[in-house]
Amino acid sequence: AQKITQTQPGMFVQEKEAVTLDCTYDTSDPSYGLFWYKQPSSGEMIFLIYQGSYDQQNATEGRYSLNFQKARKSANLVISASQLGDSAMYFCAMREEGYQKVTFGTGTKLQVIP
Amino acid sequence: DTAVSQTPKYLVTQMGNDKSIKCEQNLGHDTMYWYKQDSKKFLKIMFSYNNKELIINETVPNRFSPKSPDKAHLNLHINSLELGDSAVYFCASSHRTSPEETQYFGPGTRLLVL
Repeated sequence: AQKITQTQPGMFVQEKEAVTLDCTYDTSDPSYGLFWYKQPSSGEMIFLIYQGSYDQQNATEGRYSLNFQKARKSANLVISASQLGDSAMYFCAMREEGYQKVTFGTGTKLQVIP
Repeated sequence: DTAVSQTPKYLVTQMGNDKSIKCEQNLGHDTMYWYKQDSKKFLKIMFSYNNKELIINETVPNRFSPKSPDKAHLNLHINSLELGDSAVYFCASSHRTSPEETQYFGPGTRLLVL
């Protein structure tokens, strides 16, 4: 079974609108961390936001927020007030406490339309 | 003030050659990683070192050999390059004692085997 599932291969959003990128995960480990990374066309991987499984509140970083629904095992990324520079691939990832490695999803390509 | 750096950024070479990619981090992290990103953008862990000790060794051909001379450096040597080795190779680092263990990535090395 896939540990991280991103069901949206591609998405469009109008500039200045908000957009939600979906991510579901699968783990039996009670302690885990969830990450979102951005990969623009230039290729680098940029860390955006982190959510720990025991965190009581949803993580926020500027225009990024993580909609963490533990019972549903979802960790959706919300980008508010989209900008043209937000056009990129976005990857959801998970690190389980019992494992050393981070597992990445297949990514969602977001395109912001002027 | 580059955090994680890789050299070279681009590598074009013939099948059968041997090549190395170097990675350095100045974040004071104790753990470093090598990832491979294929043409479909799928990101997969290859190796991880913690304090110069190999802790993750995924199923990769033994033509790939990582070496960590110290905590700040992790190199990847590839023998007898094959067409299927063409990909982007990312180095990353993290601090295992931090709660998040967020991984920070280098800019990537784009390897093309002809």
